[in-house]
Amino acid sequence: DAKTTQPPSMDCAEGRAANLPCNHSTISGNEYVYWYRQIHSQGPQYIIHGLKNNETNEMASLIITEDRKSSTLILPHATLRDTAVYYCIVKGRGSQGNLIFGKGTKLSVKP
Amino acid sequence: DVKVTQSSRYLVKRTGEKVFLECVQDMDHENMFWYRQDPGLGLRLIYFSYDVKMKEKGDIPEGYSVSREKKERFSLILESASTNQTSMYLCASSLEGTSWRGYTFGSGTRLTVV
Repeated sequence: DAKTTQPPSMDCAEGRAANLPCNHSTISGNEYVYWYRQIHSQGPQYIIHGLKNNETNEMASLIITEDRKSSTLILPHATLRDTAVYYCIVKGRGSQGNLIFGKGTKLSVKP
Repeated sequence: DVKVTQSSRYLVKRTGEKVFLECVQDMDHENMFWYRQDPGLGLRLIYFSYDVKMKEKGDIPEGYSVSREKKERFSLILESASTNQTSMYLCASSLEGTSWRGYTFGSGTRLTVV
C-alpha cells in the first residue's frame, strides 16, 4: 500500500522554483523520506533524502515539516530538462525493506 | 559514479521463448533488484538479491526467476515469455547498511513479446 500521496501533475515556468508536495501522514520514527525522478524512457534517478532536518544538495532542497507528516521537494530554478515524474517514497534506513514507488507527480516545465 | 548496465535497450521475443535480461553493476553493491514498469501501474518489484546466490521474491515474481552467481551480475529469466510480460524492465543496485545512499537504476530494457 502506498505510504505517500502526491498530486498527479504540476506545471512550472522555466527559471522559477518548482515546489513538489508529498503527504506521508503515517510515517514512522525510523523512516526516511526519499525523492527520485524519472525522465521519460530512463531509469529513476535518486535526488535527495532526509529524516527530519531540511536537506540540500546540488540538485534540490528537501523541506520536512516538524511533525514529519509532509514534505516538499524544491527545484530552485527549474529547467526544461527537469520535466519528469517525481516520486516521494518513505522507507527505513539502510537496506531493510524495499523502495515502493507510487504514481508520483508529473512535473512539466514550460518555457 | 556507479553504473548499472542493462544488456539490451530494446528486445523483441516470441511467445514461449526463454528470455534472459542481464544487469551488471560496477561498484561492488551488495543489493540488486529487478522491477517492471507499466503505464498506470508504476514500478513493481519482481525479485531482489542481498548477496551472491541469494534471492527473494518481490511483489510479482510469477513467471520469472533470477540468478546471481557473481556479485556484480543479476539476471532476470522469463522461463516462457508471454505477451503480458511485455513491459519496461529496470534493474537497480544499492549498498548495504549504513552506507546506503539510495538505489542506482539502469536505463531499462523495453521488452516486447509477440
